[in-house]
Amino acid sequence: DQQVKQNSPSLSVQEGRISILNCDYTNSMFDYFLWYKKYPAEGPTFLISISSIKDKNEDGRFTVFLNKSAKHLSLHIVPSQPGDSAVYFCAASAGEYGNKLVFGAGTILRVKS
Amino acid sequence: DGGITQSPKYLFRKEGQNVTLSCEQNLNHDAMYWYRQDPGQGLRLIYYSQIVNDFQKGDIAEGYSVSREKKESFPLTVTSAQKNPTAFYLCASRGAGKKTQYFGPGTRLLVL
Repeated sequence: DQQVKQNSPSLSVQEGRISILNCDYTNSMFDYFLWYKKYPAEGPTFLISISSIKDKNEDGRFTVFLNKSAKHLSLHIVPSQPGDSAVYFCAASAGEYGNKLVFGAGTILRVKS
Repeated sequence: DGGITQSPKYLFRKEGQNVTLSCEQNLNHDAMYWYRQDPGQGLRLIYYSQIVNDFQKGDIAEGYSVSREKKESFPLTVTSAQKNPTAFYLCASRGAGKKTQYFGPGTRLLVL
């Protein structure tokens, strides 16, 4: 039972353009959502998060949008840079301290220069 | 500087052998976690600990064991009962009252 789904295994974007990575979830108890970036053979790096009481959170080039009614969130990267090429994981948690993170399978982003 | 360290970076296990993966953090975080990543898949939770001397099973705990004798350390033992141990193992920690987990660099376990 995949509670967090990233339906696009890969995405290719031209440098300078917008990258949009999508994530869907099924568990309505999820109240905190995170995006991580991961390079091969390294640990995931935290990028940005959003609480379910918000619908948008912005940090520099990264913006996360949350649509609770659709159980959908997206990560926008503007402008995309070659160094953004990595695997991006969406994760979700429920409860006061969000002890368990449930991860999607990841989306490989390639930014072409 | 503060962070999470995992050792070794690569580990080889022979059939029937138990191996222990190290995870240390100096972030003064209360909670620590072990995840496993397989190719083309997301991370899956093996075990987690919210406080010293306490830990809970995650979604795929069979064939693994942990201990939490010190706040800074959360070692994971992959026992011979784990029939498919080849994977990338990631340790994470989280501060009290926070929701974001931060990850170490990972250990790749290979079976000889």
